[in-house]
Amino acid sequence: AQSVTQLGSHVSVSEGALVLLRCNYSSSVPPYLFWYVQYPNQGLQLLLKYTSAATLVKGINGFEAEFKKSETSFHLTKPSAHMSDAAEYFCAVSSNTGNQFYFGTGTSLTVIP
Amino acid sequence: DARVTQTPRHKVTEMGQEVTMRCQPILGHNTVFWYRQTMMQGLELLAYFRNRAPLDDSGMPKDRFSAEMPDATLATLKIQPSEPRDSAVYFCASGPGLAGGPSTDTQYFGPGTRLTVL
Repeated sequence: AQSVTQLGSHVSVSEGALVLLRCNYSSSVPPYLFWYVQYPNQGLQLLLKYTSAATLVKGINGFEAEFKKSETSFHLTKPSAHMSDAAEYFCAVSSNTGNQFYFGTGTSLTVIP
Repeated sequence: DARVTQTPRHKVTEMGQEVTMRCQPILGHNTVFWYRQTMMQGLELLAYFRNRAPLDDSGMPKDRFSAEMPDATLATLKIQPSEPRDSAVYFCASGPGLAGGPSTDTQYFGPGTRLTVL
């Protein structure tokens, strides 16, 4: 079975500061991991995904995430926050042995001018 | 600019009424997912289809919910009878169904249907 934990339901950063959103997973089989972003009143949009290739994954809008098996983590980072990054971010996990997807509870990112 | 469309965008109904939500996946996509989003439960996968066949609907309350794909361009989610606890935003997503299976698919989400059951 798989599950995802996102630490911190709300994160605030200053514009230009580092963004770090945390995601830990549990999976009994090699996982596939995703980060999605949701802007207000919109559907989710894929930022990036890890599917057992390179452990450092680069996504859209300057975001990247690193798969660390030893820490069972897939934290999302961006070197410099922009006002337009304010949104809800969801980590998700699935596996190639099942048809289930599990989303985390989401982290709301606020960017302070 | 291909995108998933959902109708209606908003629906207010009374308890006991039937509700039908529609989704048009991106042309050429062969996987379709239905999600429900609430403040309390977050995002929950209700069901998903591959090549119009239901692959998994274990997340869906069977007694009142049903999901179908009458054709490749239309997916429906029906609630009958509706209850106040069904109030949520329902998202449809589609995926291209590339090699590796649905678990690795990038999902393209529609804008959602906001359902309020009074």
